[in-house]
Parts: sequence; C-alpha cells; structure tokens
Amino acid sequence: ETGVTQTPRHLVMGMTNKKSLKCEQHLGHNAMYWYKQSAKKPLELMFVYSLEERVENNSVPSRFSPECPNSSHLFLHLHTLQPEDSALYLCASSQADTSVDTQYFGPGTRLTVL
Amino acid sequence: TQLLEQSPQFLSIQEGENLTVYCNSSSVFSSLQWYRQEPGEGPVLLVTVVTGGEVKKLKRLTFQFGDARKDSSLHITAAQPGDTGLYLCAGGNSGYSTLTFGKGTMLLVSP
Repeated sequence: ETGVTQTPRHLVMGMTNKKSLKCEQHLGHNAMYWYKQSAKKPLELMFVYSLEERVENNSVPSRFSPECPNSSHLFLHLHTLQPEDSALYLCASSQADTSVDTQYFGPGTRLTVL
Repeated sequence: TQLLEQSPQFLSIQEGENLTVYCNSSSVFSSLQWYRQEPGEGPVLLVTVVTGGEVKKLKRLTFQFGDARKDSSLHITAAQPGDTGLYLCAGGNSGYSTLTFGKGTMLLVSP
C-alpha cells in the first residue's frame, strides 16, 4: 500500500534536537491527520488539517508543530522533546466532505527520544 | 466524550480455530470501521459498516454492526497465522472528520 507514505520510518533524537516528520498522500484526499500511538493506549488524535487549514488541535504541547503546505503533504516539526514523547507517529488522510470518514494510514514513524 | 471498548484485549489461539472480537460503546456512531495493524506498520482498513444490523463478509472475516449502531463484532473463521495483528475499531460521525478509536484486540494465531 503506497497511498500514504511517511519518512523517516525510524528516528532517534536527543531532547535538544530539532527534526521533522514528513507525510505524503497520493489518494487525492482533502484532509490529513497526525496521530500518536503509545503502548496500551488508544490512538491519540493530535492535529487535523482540512483543505489545508488546521481544524483541530487536541491540546498538543507546543514542542510539536504541524505544517500543511498543500493537500498532499503534511509535516510534524519536533523540538525539545521529552522521553515520554517516544511513540509511533501515524499520518492519515481522508476525503472529508463525504458522509463516511474513512481514513487511510501511512506506515508510521517510530520515534525514540533519548 | 465518546468511548469504544474492545474485548478481549489479547487473544492467543491455534491455527484453524474460530474467534470473535467485540467493539462496544454507549454512544451511537454513523459508521464503524475495522483496521488491522501489524507490528511496526500503520493500520490497514478492513471494512466500513454504516447501517444498523449490517453484515459484511471479507473472505473468512465477518463484520456486524449492531442494530442500534453502538457496537460491532468481528468473527474470523479458521484463523491463520497471517491473521495475527492488532485489530482496531473506530467510530465515526457524519459531518465531522474525526474518528474515535478503541485500544484494540491483539490477536496471535500460532501454527
């Protein structure tokens, strides 16, 4: 499945580093999402972009900064992260103006913060 | 706040056995989606159900949406090792572009 791609697949960073996660969707969708997946917790929605505008920000710390330059690309900029931010970060996309919100996920970036 | 409870949390069975996993909520959803996630990968959509009482079949997998659209089940017949993974259910509401996810059921099918 190559509809939604994410890079890098794995990332190890120190608490003082700055890095970015990239997501690209090839499905022609108009909405994109960032989720955090930690062990034994439900998927946590972080950000939603619809038609390139941020429509939801679920009380995410400011050390996470999203960017959506167009409907096909989504970035998550990371700086001064904490070890508890280590998780699988998933990107998804959907066609938001339909009656059923079916979301398609990328393979994720496994982030480890030392 | 809408919540989805999945049960069991973990299931370990032998190849060839049948199993059912459940997804329950006190809230009504306009749609219910099932995903399977393998270790180190993102969730892959299996099915979307939208009508109360709807039953969908995908080879050996049978999905049912409850009449009241508050619950769903996934039944696997003659499980195979390739069915191993985390099964996630997610509820959606029309006109609002976010999903509510359960914690998932981790299925391990041994040869």
